[in-house]
Amino acid sequence: QSALTQPASVSGSPGQSITVSCTGTSDDVGGYNIVSWYQQHPGKAPKLMIYEVSKRPSGVSFRFSGSKSGNTASLTISGLQAEDEADYYCCSYAGSYSYVFGSGTKVTVL
Amino acid sequence: QVQLQESDPGVVKPSETLSLSCTVSGGSISPYYWSWIRQPPGKGLEWIGYIYYTGDAKYNPSLRSRVYMSVDTSKNLFSLSLTSVRAADTAVYYCARGSGDWDFWGQGTLVTVSS
Repeated sequence: QSALTQPASVSGSPGQSITVSCTGTSDDVGGYNIVSWYQQHPGKAPKLMIYEVSKRPSGVSFRFSGSKSGNTASLTISGLQAEDEADYYCCSYAGSYSYVFGSGTKVTVL
Repeated sequence: QVQLQESDPGVVKPSETLSLSCTVSGGSISPYYWSWIRQPPGKGLEWIGYIYYTGDAKYNPSLRSRVYMSVDTSKNLFSLSLTSVRAADTAVYYCARGSGDWDFWGQGTLVTVSS
């Protein structure tokens, strides 16, 4: 059960859109529509941003959206804002009642 | 608003057992799943396992031989035990509600394995 692959860093200017990818295999991301995304600011607990690939919890900005194609899931942040600067982690169901996280991506707002 | 609070064991000696509890307030422990997730300093998140309020638990295969979770519905808390700890188990340990879509989290507690 290896960590899902995410780019180490992604950056964008305020107002732009960025996409963070999360690549796994057919045993995890590709095999189930159970992918979630978390935002983590320094020294804070993670916050659920997306669940079940593309669903947004109550209170999460519409600027955050999720999708999946094959073995790769994606998180898109539109209208990038300074407060979006944080680490982002994906997580996927990996079968046999287990879950695996991604390696994490640092999003920088230029 | 549901709130979770981890206990604070601080430092644990190598080869000993790490014990943590998570107290849930503002809501009932049933009928939910409850999880433990950890994060070594400067590194990414790792799922440890989850337990249903009935006591049915599932663990990360890489930790299964050393992990045990339990739940106490009368006290609205759940617990984690990790045996034979080593330096690599040093991490911030989070408790959270859910089993893959964790919507409420504790603030996390740093557990250091050191002699």
